[in-house]
Amino acid sequence: QVQLQESGPGLVKPSETLSLTCAVSGYSISSYYWSWIRQPPGKGLEWIGFMYYTGSTNYNPSLKSRVTMSVDSSKNQFSLNLSSVTAADTAVYYCARAPWGSELDYWGQGTLVTVSS
Amino acid sequence: EIVLTQSPGTLSLSPGERATLSCRASQSVSSSYLGWYQQKPGQAPRLVMYGASNRATGIPDRFRGSGSGTDFTLSISRLEPEDFAVYYCQQYGSSPFTFGPGTKVDIK
Repeated sequence: QVQLQESGPGLVKPSETLSLTCAVSGYSISSYYWSWIRQPPGKGLEWIGFMYYTGSTNYNPSLKSRVTMSVDSSKNQFSLNLSSVTAADTAVYYCARAPWGSELDYWGQGTLVTVSS
Repeated sequence: EIVLTQSPGTLSLSPGERATLSCRASQSVSSSYLGWYQQKPGQAPRLVMYGASNRATGIPDRFRGSGSGTDFTLSISRLEPEDFAVYYCQQYGSSPFTFGPGTKVDIK
């Protein structure tokens, strides 16, 4: 059974960098694609991007200048960095598996990140 | 960017009734790369349908997906209490992958 678990600070100051990690269990990260999605409180879903374990990435152009995704195969986890955050980046952040860079078949439970001073 | 529109915004139905949810794309979705997700309050979304008409693992056969091009439909033949939730469509045929705004199916 594939399980994903997000972790990271729940509070980030404006202009700083949001950093999250997604730990994957029950499946090797060294295959398939891995994705990040976010959901502002009370709103809909926004696709942030995905990456392949080799390091190739595909980011949402609306966030591309501020997003970096990376993978640590030795720890079976992948990460999201979002720089220069503002209050508009306050959201629940989800990690998910995208088997072929496609539909999202396994999701983490999500972690709320609030941007506030 | 492909914009997805979902209708209706809210669907108020009783258990046992049939639900029909619509997802319309601003451009053709290639190869029917269209998925549906169910989200309940405080939970992560759950994949219901992929490739427009393929049920995800563990999804009962009362869920049916159809459509191609720009028009897609998710049908639930007989609503069970656990089906009341928000449903999102997502296209993954063209980057950036985009989600629709959601349809809330609530109890009448």
